[in-house]
Amino acid sequence: GIQVEQSPPDLILQEGANSTLRCNFSDSVNNLQWFHQNPWGQLINLFYIPSGTKQNGRLSATTVATERYSLLYISSSQTTDSGVYFCAVDYSQGAQKLVFGQGTRLTINP
Amino acid sequence: NAGVMQNPRHLVRRRGQEARLRCSPMKGHSHVYWYRQLPEEGLKFMVYLQKENIIDESGMPKERFSAEFPKEGPSILRIQQVVRGDSAAYFCASSPNRVDEQYFGPGTRLTVT
Repeated sequence: GIQVEQSPPDLILQEGANSTLRCNFSDSVNNLQWFHQNPWGQLINLFYIPSGTKQNGRLSATTVATERYSLLYISSSQTTDSGVYFCAVDYSQGAQKLVFGQGTRLTINP
Repeated sequence: NAGVMQNPRHLVRRRGQEARLRCSPMKGHSHVYWYRQLPEEGLKFMVYLQKENIIDESGMPKERFSAEFPKEGPSILRIQQVVRGDSAAYFCASSPNRVDEQYFGPGTRLTVT
């Protein structure tokens, strides 16, 4: 099956810093989503981005499908950005089942 | 517009009991997915359902686990004779169609004692 690798596994930053999270995938995908799992365990949709670039406030994402990677940018980090960021891809025929990466754990210190 | 609802949010069961997890999709969504998050294994797909039909259950354990999405009412994930290894967070997601964005519920955290 498809492999989804995220880097770095852990990232510790000071408030106000910028960060780039990467997601590599080993095969062509139909869809790609980015999620934030907050400290309470909830999965928050960030982007639905099978290709191209999207921006939402301080967050933006770019997916280069032909090169099989996606990037999530977080600017001017806040402590509420802490948590685990997951990339998930759908490569299946017929049924959309997301395959998740192992996540990047982001800690923003005040 | 209410999001995906899951209940209960926390469930404690003793070994050998049954666990029933419920999921109400977003309004207008007829596609439901269940995922499990185990501490050392990350988030894994379990099953994909549409109303009254199981479309893909390739991620479901072969025994003790079943899922349904009846014509009326929520989707149910049922775990019979729970064991400690079933302790995990179970997430439900829904989408309006097969190829669209999936929206996740808050999850049910199952603890088996």
